Parts: sequence; C-alpha cells; structure tokens
Amino acid sequence: ETGVTQTPRHLVMGMTNKKSLKCEQHLGHNAMYWYKQSAKKPLELMFVYNFKEQTENNSVPSRFSPECPNSSHLFLHLHTLQPEDSALYLCASSQERGTDTQYFGPGTRLTVL
Amino acid sequence: AQSVTQPDIHITVSEGASLELRCNYSYGATPYLFWYVQSPGQGLQLLLKYFSGDTLVQGIKGFEAEFKRSQSSFNLRKPSVHWSDAAEYFCAVGGYNQGGKLIFGQGTELSVKP
Repeated sequence: ETGVTQTPRHLVMGMTNKKSLKCEQHLGHNAMYWYKQSAKKPLELMFVYNFKEQTENNSVPSRFSPECPNSSHLFLHLHTLQPEDSALYLCASSQERGTDTQYFGPGTRLTVL
Repeated sequence: AQSVTQPDIHITVSEGASLELRCNYSYGATPYLFWYVQSPGQGLQLLLKYFSGDTLVQGIKGFEAEFKRSQSSFNLRKPSVHWSDAAEYFCAVGGYNQGGKLIFGQGTELSVKP
C-alpha cells in the first residue's frame, strides 16, 4: 500500500450507532488531519495531530472523537451522530504540521440515517 | 481573516480549448498556495504548489499556475483541456502562521464538452 488509505470507503449508520473511521499513511509523515467535506461547502478542518499529539480541534462536537495511536494511524470514533453529519470525511498527512504539502486519502462517504 | 475565493462555481469548456480557473486569496503574510483536483468519489490530488521563487509553477497533467502578489491571485491554467480533466478543482492557502491549516476555496466544477 502506498499513500494514504481510508477504511471503510462507505458507511451507513443510524443515529444511535457507534462506528469508527480508520486512516493509515505509508509516507513516513508526522502530521495527520481529519477534514469534513459537505455538499456545496468548502472543506472544513476538524482535527490536526502532530507527532501523535492533538494540536487543533476546530470546535468539533464531542460526538466526533479522534484517536492517533502513532504517526501512521488516525481514527475518528463516531457516536450518536445527526443526519447533518452525513458527508465525505477525508484524512490527510504531511511531513510535519505547518506549511508542508498535505496528501489526501480517498475519503469515507458517511450517511447517517 | 484568511480566505480563498473561487469565483466560478461551474465552468464548461470544449475539449482542446484552453482553461483558466480563478483563485483569489486574502492572507496576512507570505502565502503558500496549492491547487488540488478531486474526481467523483475520490480524495484530493495535488496538482501544484507555490512556496517561493518563480511565480509561474508547473504541475502534473499539463497544468500551471501563476502567483500574482499584487492581485492576490493564483490562477490555474491549461492550454488544451482533455475530457479526463473533468473534475472539481480546489485552491487552498496556508502558511507558517496557520499552524498546519489549509484554507480551501469552495471549488470549481469543470465540465468538458466533446
């Protein structure tokens, strides 16, 4: 595997479910990011991790809980979501937090019923 | 406040025609500028980036962009569009005082007519 991978690619869940999104980067990077992409809206940065430490939480509701066990893996734990949380969730990585180029995964298309 | 504006939500061009996608930014320091492309159901792929130096930047797939500080613009160009270029294009700005944040424009959807 190369680049940034995300699983699952598609997820349908009810509002009472708990699920997790997984991101893995094979680029040797130290910073990882979660973005939300909703229809007709710009990409919204959710979280930033640098060397496994969270450095940015962009006022994201607590029903989204990130986890970064090491520099290669990033998770987004989901619980009691709302239908408006339906979106494409993109993971990205860069060499370090800052001005480095970010490389994106293919995304997870989430539908909340 | 930092922002990115892509004035054109949707553009249609004929195959073989030239293309220019506009991007204007507002940023308080030296900007780092990016163009990404997104095909349906896919993530974002980096086309090109500007950090410093030559203001005309070459990217992949025959794209180029020109940084014009006086106009706060970073327009993307391609001399001859191919049908496979149909996708959504995003301009983004970042910098040292952004702490790793990229600010994205709303995107321009490109359609290509045969």
